[in-house]
Amino acid sequence: AQSVAQPEDQVNVAEGNPLTVKCTYSVSGNPYLFWYVQYPNRGLQFLLKYITGDNLVKGSYGFEAEFNKSQTSFHLKKPSALVSDSALYFCAVRDPNSGNTPLVFGKGTRLSVIA
Amino acid sequence: EPEVTQTPSHQVTQMGQEVILRCVPISNHLYFYWYRQILGQKVEFLVSFYNNEISEKSEIFDDQFSVERPDGSNFTLKIRSTKLEDSAMYFCASSEKDRAYEQYFGPGTRLTVT
Repeated sequence: AQSVAQPEDQVNVAEGNPLTVKCTYSVSGNPYLFWYVQYPNRGLQFLLKYITGDNLVKGSYGFEAEFNKSQTSFHLKKPSALVSDSALYFCAVRDPNSGNTPLVFGKGTRLSVIA
Repeated sequence: EPEVTQTPSHQVTQMGQEVILRCVPISNHLYFYWYRQILGQKVEFLVSFYNNEISEKSEIFDDQFSVERPDGSNFTLKIRSTKLEDSAMYFCASSEKDRAYEQYFGPGTRLTVT
């Protein structure tokens, strides 16, 4: 069964500094990986995905993520954090070999960017 | 930009009552989903729907739950007899196709069971 781990409940970073939100996954075969962001009292907003191709994928708002097969990781990164990036970030995985499987989400990491 | 919409934004109901949560997916999408998020916890899958039938459901989606696409545009989640533990944010999502395609989520309906 597929699973996702986000080892950090909270990440604090100063504005202007680079940020990393960690995600590791477990799935048979090559995974489909996604990052979503949730702002307070809002729904989930798609940021980026990895399906195939380049390991470094770029998404919305300057975010990017790197797929690392050997480490089974898909960490979310941004070179320079903004206060407005403060939100809850969810990593999610789908198994491409298991029909119309749902997204399996990690428990989320709260990012706090301090001015 | 097309988006998934959900109504109501907040529903308060008494334990044992039936509730219907409504969603309008993006018009050219073929796959529909319901997820829920209990306060402070992670997002959990409930059910997926394709071609007018359930394609997958989780253990949470027991006989108290049902889904329907009554008119080709709406996608509803019904809880027949609500329990206190059903209190959560319920998200509808849709995707153009399956697996490789990102799911677009609605803003959610906050269900409070008293």
